[in-house]
Amino acid sequence: DVVLTQSPLSLPVTLGQPASISCRSSQSLVHSDGNTYLNWFQQRPGQSPRRLIYKVSNRDSGVPDRFSGSGSGTDFTLKISRVEAEDVGVYYCMQGTQWPLWTFGQGTKVEIK
Amino acid sequence: EVQLVESGGGLVQPGGSLRLSCAASGFIFRNYWMSWVRQAPGKGLEWVASIKQDESEIYYVDSVKGRFTISRDNAKNSLYLQMNSLRGEDTAMYYCARIMVRSFDYWGQGTLVTVSS
Repeated sequence: DVVLTQSPLSLPVTLGQPASISCRSSQSLVHSDGNTYLNWFQQRPGQSPRRLIYKVSNRDSGVPDRFSGSGSGTDFTLKISRVEAEDVGVYYCMQGTQWPLWTFGQGTKVEIK
Repeated sequence: EVQLVESGGGLVQPGGSLRLSCAASGFIFRNYWMSWVRQAPGKGLEWVASIKQDESEIYYVDSVKGRFTISRDNAKNSLYLQMNSLRGEDTAMYYCARIMVRSFDYWGQGTLVTVSS
């Protein structure tokens, strides 16, 4: 099974400053169809998860452009260009390459300093 | 607007059973794979089970195989999870999720299952 390792697990940030979360996979997430099915989810306190990014770098509808995803193979990054108060929560990466055995990273808690 | 509304959670004793339901609206339910994902209190997300549009393919995480059964009723736009032989480690919020692009693009609000004596 694919193991996803996120870092850091806790990320205190200053409002207006950038933030970056890493997600490393135990094996390449490039599918035989050429796509890389790495996703990012946001879970605000007390809410359900919400998908932000799919296939590494595609933002979902309504997701602010301060969120961006990048990476390839086994190393991926979620960046928030300028953190806002509403960005507080836990962020998860998830792979869909090994469909239908989806796996999530452990989560990274973003909080305001 | 896509909506997924779970129900059926509650307190159950170890070894007991529960049936979760998910009512879908705002999209053509029969066209999508669907899934259950759970989250133990204070913990991360764990995929539990998935089902193809016509129920011809069904998959489970190893820890629930033989105990949980996922099913759907396309005429009722509903997804189900029958949970038997429940254990303490099954205590979690259970989310219904739609599958799109090998991912979960819409999630319900969740229903809480607590397994305790």
